[in-house]
Amino acid sequence: EAGVAQSPRYKIIEKRQSVAFWCNPISGHATLYWYQQILGQGPKLLIQFQNNGVVDDSQLPKDRFSAERLKGVDSTLKIQPAKLEDSAVYLCASRRGVMADTQYFGPGTRLTVL
Amino acid sequence: DAKTTQPPSMDCAEGRAANLPCNHSTISGNEYVYWYRQIHSQGPQYIIHGLKNNETNEMASLIITEDRKSSTLILPHATLRDTAVYYCIVYKPTDSWGKLQFGAGTQVVVTP
Repeated sequence: EAGVAQSPRYKIIEKRQSVAFWCNPISGHATLYWYQQILGQGPKLLIQFQNNGVVDDSQLPKDRFSAERLKGVDSTLKIQPAKLEDSAVYLCASRRGVMADTQYFGPGTRLTVL
Repeated sequence: DAKTTQPPSMDCAEGRAANLPCNHSTISGNEYVYWYRQIHSQGPQYIIHGLKNNETNEMASLIITEDRKSSTLILPHATLRDTAVYYCIVYKPTDSWGKLQFGAGTQVVVTP
């Protein structure tokens, strides 16, 4: 089966600009996650969806970050306006459901904010 | 905060077994030990998980101590493609909607 797809793979923007990342999870996977990974650190969860509803966004900087999963399939993560410290890799992951063992990760989007 | 402790780095010779330790002294009875790895410029990849018993799959073996306070991931015949950061995570898939809490992991370098 196809894996988790993300685009773009790389993005360079100036601070205060806006940027959006797209994720298409594995078909049939109800749970979707967005993680932020700063260089040298492990991934940190930003937000997670169950179908099209948010179940945890406690770590999402809501003054500048937003995410949606309108039809319970693909998802978009947006940053507006971007700050220098947002430079990171943004990873999307999915799993089949709440009882499933394994999360599957996409390749990530590397964001550089200048 | 991550509930596990791993060495920051380790080297391994190609073709030899790589033994990656992980301490998880505060693990609760219904939490699993999961291992993921992240090859450079890729997303994390699931390797193996276990609860109490030792586990083996096509990628690795997982040895969990009887008191469950530590575990070892074994890559039986390391190859250059096994160079990656390895994350040990204590996790219960049905808690917190399955949120994974990553630490810094162990950077494993396999050398020829």
